Order: sequence, then structure tokens, then C-alpha cells
Amino acid sequence: EDQVTQSPEALRLQEGESSSLNCSYTVSGLRGLFWYRQDPGKGPEFLFTLYSAGEEKEKERLKATLTKKESFLHITAPKPEDSATYLCAVQADGNNRLAFGKGNQVVVIP
Amino acid sequence: DTGVSQNPRHKITKRGQNVTFRCDPISEHNRLYWYRQTLGQGPEFLTYFQNEAQLEKSRLLSDRFSAERPKGSFSTLEIQRTEQGDSAMYLCASSPRTGEHGYTFGSGTRLTVV
Repeated sequence: EDQVTQSPEALRLQEGESSSLNCSYTVSGLRGLFWYRQDPGKGPEFLFTLYSAGEEKEKERLKATLTKKESFLHITAPKPEDSATYLCAVQADGNNRLAFGKGNQVVVIP
Repeated sequence: DTGVSQNPRHKITKRGQNVTFRCDPISEHNRLYWYRQTLGQGPEFLTYFQNEAQLEKSRLLSDRFSAERPKGSFSTLEIQRTEQGDSAMYLCASSPRTGEHGYTFGSGTRLTVV
């Protein structure tokens, strides 16, 4: 069964203090790894899809990377508006479902 | 296009009552998904439609749950004889044919069973 483990569960950062979130996964053939952002009371908002080891994608202060066993979401010089829960999910080959981790809850303090 | 729309946003019901939620996907998306999310957890897959065909159901979807997508447009998720353990956020998502650019989620329906 596909498994996704995210660490740390919760993270408090000072504004401008860069950090990384980890997503470790096991899947029988990776079709895609997804990162989403979720604000309280709202649905997940798509950030990135990564398909193969070595791939990197960037969006504003966020950069996602992928290896064969894990993905990192790097947050560079975060701002308070980056406070959210970041969800990682994997989709296996031949599968239509996403398997999500529990998320990384990030709070950025001004 | 205003994205994926879910109604109602919140629902409070008494244990044992039936409830129905509606999802209107992005119009050009032929794939529709239902997920359930409880506090502190990631979303869990419930079921998947391609057009009007329900192609996959999770074992989480007990016989009290039923989902439909008539004519491949909007979808409904019904829960019969609700239990307190059904309290959760029910999320709908849609994607285009390839699904490569991520699924677009709605804002969810928050169900509270009292």
C-alpha cells in the first residue's frame, strides 16, 4: 500500500528564516508526487507535480525537489502569508487515487 | 470558470439522519473524485468517476455511502444513517483527462453529526 510520511508535523519560523519540509514515500511505481497548500477551513490548493528523481520546480518562495525515496519543499525567506499546512501526496502507476500524508503545519511569525 | 463548487459548506445533522452533498466540477474536467478529511489528517480517497462511470471505490466507502454522477456533470455524495464517526470535511476534486497538472479541489463540505 502506498505510504506518505511528512516531517516535521509542525514548524514555527521567524519571518525570513528559510527551512525545508520532508515527504518520505513508498509507492509501487511513482506516477507523480504532488504538493498542495491548505489553509484552515479550505480545500487543498495545488502547488507542484514532480514526476522523476532529480526534478525541481519553483514558485515564488517555494521550491520542490524529488529523489527516489523523498521530496523536499524548501521555503526561502518565508513571509507570514506562507503560514499554512503543506500536504504531500503520491499517485502510483495505473492508479487514479492520491495517497496523502498528514501534512506539515507551518506558522511564520512576523 | 469559478473552480470546483461544493454545497452546502457546512452541515449539522442528528445521528441517524441522511445527508446529501453536491459537487460541481470544472466544466471541462471529465474526472471527479471524493475525499474525506478529518482533523489533523490528510485527505483520504473515497471514490472516483470518469464521466458518469464510477470506476473506483475505497473500502472506506461503506454501504451507507453512495455517490452518483448523472450525465457526467455534477456529483452527489449521500450518507445514510449518519454516525458520529462520519463527522469530517468532505472534499471534491476534478481533473482533466490526463490529471497531470494536479487535481483542483473544492472548499469542501464540513459535516458535523451530533
